[in-house]
Amino acid sequence: SQTIHQWPATLVQPVGSPLSLECTVEGTSNPNLYWYRQAAGRGLQLLFYSVGIGQISSEVPQNLSASRPQDRQFILSSKKLLLSDSGFYLCAWTPGALVWGNQPQHFGDGTRLSIL
Amino acid sequence: GNSVTQMEGPVTLSEEAFLTINCTYTATGYPSLFWYVQYPGEGLQLLLKATKADDKGSNKGFEATYRKETTSFHLEKGSVQVSDSAVYFCALTYNTDKLIFGTGTRLQVFP
Repeated sequence: SQTIHQWPATLVQPVGSPLSLECTVEGTSNPNLYWYRQAAGRGLQLLFYSVGIGQISSEVPQNLSASRPQDRQFILSSKKLLLSDSGFYLCAWTPGALVWGNQPQHFGDGTRLSIL
Repeated sequence: GNSVTQMEGPVTLSEEAFLTINCTYTATGYPSLFWYVQYPGEGLQLLLKATKADDKGSNKGFEATYRKETTSFHLEKGSVQVSDSAVYFCALTYNTDKLIFGTGTRLQVFP
């Protein structure tokens, strides 16, 4: 069966420090991968998605970047964190698209990031 | 563009009460519609989905019907339990797998 792992579960970082959050998927090949952020008291916002190795699409301009160095690995990074980067970050996957639009996304347990 | 509007929370109910969480959408065509649930401290789980008009999604006693004429996908449950306390997100996809979420509705159920 397929599983998705995110780590760390919680992270406290000072302003201006770098960031690396990792997400891996097991039990499937060529998944579509997604990073979402849930800011306090707000809904979920799609940050990045990827349909293959090295292919990253950014949905909103921001202080973050994403990379996909391997088929089932998706990394969210920042060189210098801002206070506004605080939030709950969720990784998700769907099977590689043969039929778009009705595939449910499978989410990891999330990383709670606090910037001090 | 495509969007999802959910009723504001929190929704506070006593155990065994009837639940409705309203969700309406705006889309240029015929989207797929989803309800996700987020229990405290956890990621999101798919609760139910519907992919075409008049479909009814159901799971764990929850139901939602895809109403094209009212562009709605309201979530209902006949008798809520304390364990249903969570945040519920309505969402859609249209021609991609990228989800567009509503802002979420927090449900609190008291014994």
